[in-house]
Amino acid sequence: EIVLTQSPATLSLSPGERATLSCRASQSVSSYLAWYQQKPGQAPRLLIYDASNRATGIPARFSGSGSGTDFTLTISSLEPEDFAVYYCQQRSNWRSTFGQGTRLEIK
Amino acid sequence: QVQLVQSGAEVKKPGASVKVSCKASGYTFTGYYMHWVRQAPGQGLEWMGWINPNSGGTNYAQKFQGRVTMTRDTSISTAYMELSRLRSDDTAVYYCASSSIAARPDVYFDYWGQGTLVTVSS
Repeated sequence: EIVLTQSPATLSLSPGERATLSCRASQSVSSYLAWYQQKPGQAPRLLIYDASNRATGIPARFSGSGSGTDFTLTISSLEPEDFAVYYCQQRSNWRSTFGQGTRLEIK
Repeated sequence: QVQLVQSGAEVKKPGASVKVSCKASGYTFTGYYMHWVRQAPGQGLEWMGWINPNSGGTNYAQKFQGRVTMTRDTSISTAYMELSRLRSDDTAVYYCASSSIAARPDVYFDYWGQGTLVTVSS
């Protein structure tokens, strides 16, 4: 099983600041990695797929990068609605896995 | 538009089984794999497995092998996830999820059900 490790567990920032979230895979997943945003009481929402492609309707302040085992989600300038939990997911084989999540909270 | 509508909350005793349904609409049900993901209270997302609605073929996460069964009824565009020998740590919200990419199991999840809370308590 491919293990995804996200860091940090919690990130405390203010609106307008830049957020950088990390996801590391236990083995190469090529570019087959996605990022999701989840708010309390809601299902996750797909933000980024194949490491760097924004999903439909996702604002340009969200960007993804990386390949192989190291990936980054960047939010260029935080809006109040961006404070949530973020998960990475790999699809490199027929058994998917998720990271444990990063909570982005208001400082 | 694509919709995945799940069955309602369940309360079960340890050792029992639960069966959650997920009714799909707005697309060709047999064309897209259906996955199941769960989330324990205050915890992260955990992938459980998928079913190919066309063939009925399945693939389960190793952790759930022997306890989970995923099935479908194509006549009513509905997928099911049954979990047996329930324990207290199976208390979670269970989601069905699907993709806009047809006929592949290795996908990301564009579409999610609303979630079904399963509570296991004596």
